[in-house]
Amino acid sequence: DAGVIQSPRHEVTEMGQEVTLRCKPISGHNSLFWYRQTMMRGLELLIYFNNNVPIDDSGMPEDRFSAKMPNASFSTLKIQPSEPRDSAVYFCASRWESGANVLTFGAGSRLTVL
Amino acid sequence: GQQLNQSPQSMFIQEGEDVSMNCTSSSIFNTWLWYKQDPGEGPVLLIALYKAGELTSNGRLTAQFGITRKDSFLNISASIPSDVGIYFCAGRTYTGANSKLTFGKGITLSVRP
Repeated sequence: DAGVIQSPRHEVTEMGQEVTLRCKPISGHNSLFWYRQTMMRGLELLIYFNNNVPIDDSGMPEDRFSAKMPNASFSTLKIQPSEPRDSAVYFCASRWESGANVLTFGAGSRLTVL
Repeated sequence: GQQLNQSPQSMFIQEGEDVSMNCTSSSIFNTWLWYKQDPGEGPVLLIALYKAGELTSNGRLTAQFGITRKDSFLNISASIPSDVGIYFCAGRTYTGANSKLTFGKGITLSVRP
């Protein structure tokens, strides 16, 4: 099992640019979560999907953020336009909703917006 | 919204010492989880607790689900250098058919050799 795979691992971009982060969940998991981690706020849930359907996006900071899950094996988190305050580590995690509560995280995508 | 409180933000201990971390909330949770994050990696599950009062061990780690369902603690015995990292507690609630985790801000543990 390859685990949750995120790309890119590191991204440095300039303010105003579009950023797309990608996630491949563990095969068979039917829930997918996007988290953002900063020193000030810790781990914040941005959005989660169940069976590819967004269930709760109340954590998405503003309209500049969007997330999609076109199929069970792929999700994207997009920021457009990016701002320096978006700099953080973004984690994707997946879980089998009906089973044990084992949320498995990817290694994260570290975003720096200059 | 729901919040989980972990303090202090950092802990410094000597190798071989035991350490205890608490996590408290004003909200009730159905499940408590403890995760550890190594530098440059995502959090990894250490222990999951599903019932109030439950005490569970995993090697040198022991965790308990508080009777009130509003708190949990994690103990690490005989610490070693590889215990260094950020320890997060997380609580799970159910909303209809779906659920989500709320994380504490984490405690950074340093172990002096």
